[in-house]
Amino acid sequence: DTAVSQTPKYLVTQMGNDKSIKCEQNLGHDTMYWYKQDSKKFLKIMFSYNNKELIINETVPNRFSPKSPDKAHLNLHINSLELGDSAVYFCASRSSSYNEQFFGPGTRLTVL
Amino acid sequence: AQSVTQPDIHITVSEGASLELRCNYSYGATPYLFWYVQSPGQGLQLLLKYFSGDTLVQGIKGFEAEFKRSQSSFNLRKPSVHWSDAAEYFCAVGGGYGGSQGNLIFGKGTKLSVKP
Repeated sequence: DTAVSQTPKYLVTQMGNDKSIKCEQNLGHDTMYWYKQDSKKFLKIMFSYNNKELIINETVPNRFSPKSPDKAHLNLHINSLELGDSAVYFCASRSSSYNEQFFGPGTRLTVL
Repeated sequence: AQSVTQPDIHITVSEGASLELRCNYSYGATPYLFWYVQSPGQGLQLLLKYFSGDTLVQGIKGFEAEFKRSQSSFNLRKPSVHWSDAAEYFCAVGGGYGGSQGNLIFGKGTKLSVKP
């Protein structure tokens, strides 16, 4: 069973489009995250979310928005895609008992 | 400011040789320290973690790391490297459980290449 899953694995789209990436965790964790990994492999937190609190990294454009239909899912919506949004996006989750995060396989987004 | 520094961008070692990857951190509170590995095209896998207690921690795949508070370091070691260890290695630091303290701050990674 995959602990943290993401779909799609690859996403190629045109500038200006709106797209979503889905994330699901079956670990029963309380908190979920989205990270962006740029072309130089640098990982940066975008959002952290639990059922009480959404914390947004202030450097993330408001074209990006997380949506959580339930505790096991945290989807990432991106409006008006730009070339600079091309990256690998990772979802992660963490339980309230442990501080380690479990990562999904990543979604490689390419904006043309 | 909270940060993680991995001074080596790329390291090449021969198969069977020992390995040490360096990590230094800056963190205002008690740090929780992690090493993750990312194989090409894959997600991140946790190798090991340090929360408290014994400063030498053992992880998966034969890796270990030593926390040195006086040096603000958490270096990763392996006595004998295998070709399958070739990957990108990330050191990360986090804090308590609540709110933004639970977020991880990553270093920029060290790429490990293994020569036959």
